[in-house]
Amino acid sequence: QSVLTQPPSASGTPGQRVTISCSGNRSNIGGNPVNWYQQFPGTAPKLLIYHNYQRPSGVPDRFSGSKSGTSVSLAISGLQSEDEADYYCATWENILNAWVFGGGTKLTVL
Amino acid sequence: EVQLVQSGGGLVHPGGSLRLSCSASGFIFSNYWMNWVRQAPGKGLEWVANINQDGSQKHYVDSVKGRFSISRDNAKNSVFLQMNSLRAEDTAIYYCVYKMDVWDKGTKVIVSS
Repeated sequence: QSVLTQPPSASGTPGQRVTISCSGNRSNIGGNPVNWYQQFPGTAPKLLIYHNYQRPSGVPDRFSGSKSGTSVSLAISGLQSEDEADYYCATWENILNAWVFGGGTKLTVL
Repeated sequence: EVQLVQSGGGLVHPGGSLRLSCSASGFIFSNYWMNWVRQAPGKGLEWVANINQDGSQKHYVDSVKGRFSISRDNAKNSVFLQMNSLRAEDTAIYYCVYKMDVWDKGTKVIVSS
């Protein structure tokens, strides 16, 4: 059972806009910035979004993050087949004094 | 460019020990927190431990407290994870992570008899 809650799966067709949610509470998402990671099978995760909505250099602007209260969302617009991957949210948890992850969302491009 | 090179993974019997090492370059190592994150086969990501810039603050996930120990050597730009009393459920790919931004390729740790 993950501290942060993500849907296990999401899907969309090429060109569509897809959103992935991640919910927590005041001691994690509500009080700290959130990162999103993208992971392809057999490879290490890659930072996709940091500080809720900032994109590292090289990440396409098709990827965007937003935050509202104790939830965050990752939006992918203009969906492409190469976006098929697992996506994880993560943040610092003030009570546990630990980083916590969502359970991950497997994105399928139909 | 940030580079992280890990070593030390492998197969170990339950109850055994293993030490992971991660050598960093491309940034001022002594200025940043370092983390270890793991991923069990077919499972999601689990943060394991982190250490602050001078090693005076360390945090661990509950499941490894008292068994794992994180440390660093700023003179050698390296961070370590000493894993004792290993259990089957510690079997995972272990990643060394700079801040929580850049990940190394990971190393497999298999705990099995």
